[in-house]
Amino acid sequence: GAGVSQSPSNKVTEKGKDVELRCDPISGHTALYWYRQSLGQGLEFLIYFQGNSAPDKSGLPSDRFSAERTGGSVSTLTIQRTQQEDSAVYLCASSFHGGGANVLTFGAGSRLTVL
Amino acid sequence: KQEVTQIPAALSVPEGENLVLNCSFTDSAIYNLQWFRQDPGKGLTSLLLIQSSQREQTSGRLNASLDKSSGRSTLYIAASQPGDSATYLCAGPKSGGYNKLIFGAGTRLAVHP
Repeated sequence: GAGVSQSPSNKVTEKGKDVELRCDPISGHTALYWYRQSLGQGLEFLIYFQGNSAPDKSGLPSDRFSAERTGGSVSTLTIQRTQQEDSAVYLCASSFHGGGANVLTFGAGSRLTVL
Repeated sequence: KQEVTQIPAALSVPEGENLVLNCSFTDSAIYNLQWFRQDPGKGLTSLLLIQSSQREQTSGRLNASLDKSSGRSTLYIAASQPGDSATYLCAGPKSGGYNKLIFGAGTRLAVHP
């Protein structure tokens, strides 16, 4: 597509429920990143995909968080047993490849509110 | 560990002023430096990317410089307009071959008519 698409744009859930956030990167972009932006905080790196592999998942806050990418395209970030501190905007970005010379294109984000 | 700091945290100026936003980083091995703009409720838009071998990049009224030795980057906005109001973020990847960006907390800019 023309840009990075994320869905849902807004998600309100109850504490303890599982949620899935989806990212559809720009066609042809092999690198995909998930970031989290909490209220009043900077952007926090979560995970990096190159193709379908995740060579760096060091930013995932706990084992309740997982992500996968299939077909070198769409990625899903899953949060199990959500907690109130998981409330944040989850941003996905993609780039042509993972090298440092590549500009990242971000999606509009998925705003998660855990009640 | 790479840390990125942005000063000021917030800035309010009248239209037409020239502005300088500052970004400092602790690890001079930074691979490149990117400036982004974020509008309320929106994602990030890349403004400028400066490679480690470059010293500055220009796009329209925006000019960004990079001084790796001092660990600083500046974003210069000429003749500011109300449409420039947004949060400006700088970010750089740690050296290591891929684009894992470390972000500053941002400068929130308001340009009033």
